[in-house]
Amino acid sequence: DAGVTQSPTHLIKTRGQQVTLRCSPKSGHDTVSWYQQALGQGPQFIFQYYEEEERQRGNFPDRFSGHQFPNYSSELNVNALLLGDSALYLCASKHGGAADTQYFGPGTRLTVL
Amino acid sequence: DQQVKQNSPSLSVQEGRISILNCDYTNSMFDYFLWYKKYPAEGPTFLISISSIKDKNEDGRFTVFLNKSAKHLSLHIVPSQPGDSAVYFCAASERQTGANNLFFGTGTRLTVIP
Repeated sequence: DAGVTQSPTHLIKTRGQQVTLRCSPKSGHDTVSWYQQALGQGPQFIFQYYEEEERQRGNFPDRFSGHQFPNYSSELNVNALLLGDSALYLCASKHGGAADTQYFGPGTRLTVL
Repeated sequence: DQQVKQNSPSLSVQEGRISILNCDYTNSMFDYFLWYKKYPAEGPTFLISISSIKDKNEDGRFTVFLNKSAKHLSLHIVPSQPGDSAVYFCAASERQTGANNLFFGTGTRLTVIP
């Protein structure tokens, strides 16, 4: 049973560029959340997707956008990258509308130079 | 503002002894609490959870205690093993409002000394 997978593992971009990160949820899960974990901090909620729609959003600017596909996989897009966007980006999945435990992927380490 | 706080950045414990990790929260709407363990280069792994209707939940060597009046929870690991060495995150959510995003603390790095 495959867990949550994310790609790429690492990414280096320069300021002003755009980036797309990808996530495949755990088998049987249909809800995907994205979190940003800065160095020395806990993960911070960006947004959650369910039934291909953004259901909930944290305190992140519109430069952060996402998408969920019919197969429940998801993308996180960040435009106009800033140095402060350097972080580990984590994807988490769970089943349906129930408030089940979220399972995390290994993350994508983004470095903005 | 940090709604979930872990005030101890690190903790060292001898193998076989008890590890106690603490967590405080400020939002009284939180009704579900979780502990995650994180190894380097891996995502957080779910460990144990507790609903606000309970004050204790046990799973093998791991027990979580919840004190709602003090807005405090703790994770007890007995006995501690070297493989438990990791960063532990406390997280909370507001299930009753339908919001199920998680609020995390900053983590406590546990080192179990053989």
